[in-house]
Amino acid sequence: QKEVEQNSGPLSVPEGAIASLNCTYSDRVSQSFFWYRQYSGKSPELIMSIYSNGDKEDGRFTAQLNKASQYVSLLIRDSQPSDSATYLCAVNDSGTYKYIFGTGTRLKVLA
Amino acid sequence: EAQVTQNPRYLITVTGKKLTVTCSQNMNHEYMSWYRQDPGLGLRQIYYSMNVEVTDKGDVPEGYKVSRKEKRNFPLILESPSPNQTSLYFCASSLFFTGAPQPQHFGDGTRLSIL
Repeated sequence: QKEVEQNSGPLSVPEGAIASLNCTYSDRVSQSFFWYRQYSGKSPELIMSIYSNGDKEDGRFTAQLNKASQYVSLLIRDSQPSDSATYLCAVNDSGTYKYIFGTGTRLKVLA
Repeated sequence: EAQVTQNPRYLITVTGKKLTVTCSQNMNHEYMSWYRQDPGLGLRQIYYSMNVEVTDKGDVPEGYKVSRKEKRNFPLILESPSPNQTSLYFCASSLFFTGAPQPQHFGDGTRLSIL
């Protein structure tokens, strides 16, 4: 069974700090990697997609992918209380057309 | 507005009474999928469809059926619901490129309780 692993948290950071969220995955041949944000009781919303090694920046968010280490991370700069949510990491299953989600990391940004 | 629409949003029903949760998208996406979300277990894929009349099992398909007769619709059918199917369900859709799976857009969710 292919897996995506995340620390469940909660990860607590003060307002204005950098939050660092990490994800490891077992499928060496996965091609697509996603970060979603989910507020309690709401649906997941896409923050970032990343497909190649390195960094990808979008506003306060930076995704980092290292396929050799099977590791993808999300950095949130200048964290705000409104960033408090659960962050889900997802990857594609290379042998099928499925997506595999981690169980999520709960982030708390303290005002 | 681009969206994935699920109905109903909430449903309480009894064991064994067949039910259907509808899902419709207006983005002309080829790929559609159903997930269930349970505390501590995260999002798990039930079924997915790459296009009309093409469906396949996800990781937790037991007790569920799907059909894809039109590109925009992907209903989830519970023929004989049981209490262990009490969960939060999400429908999602995306463009479909075999070389680079695309991010999914999620509906608002259906909270299903089976007594």
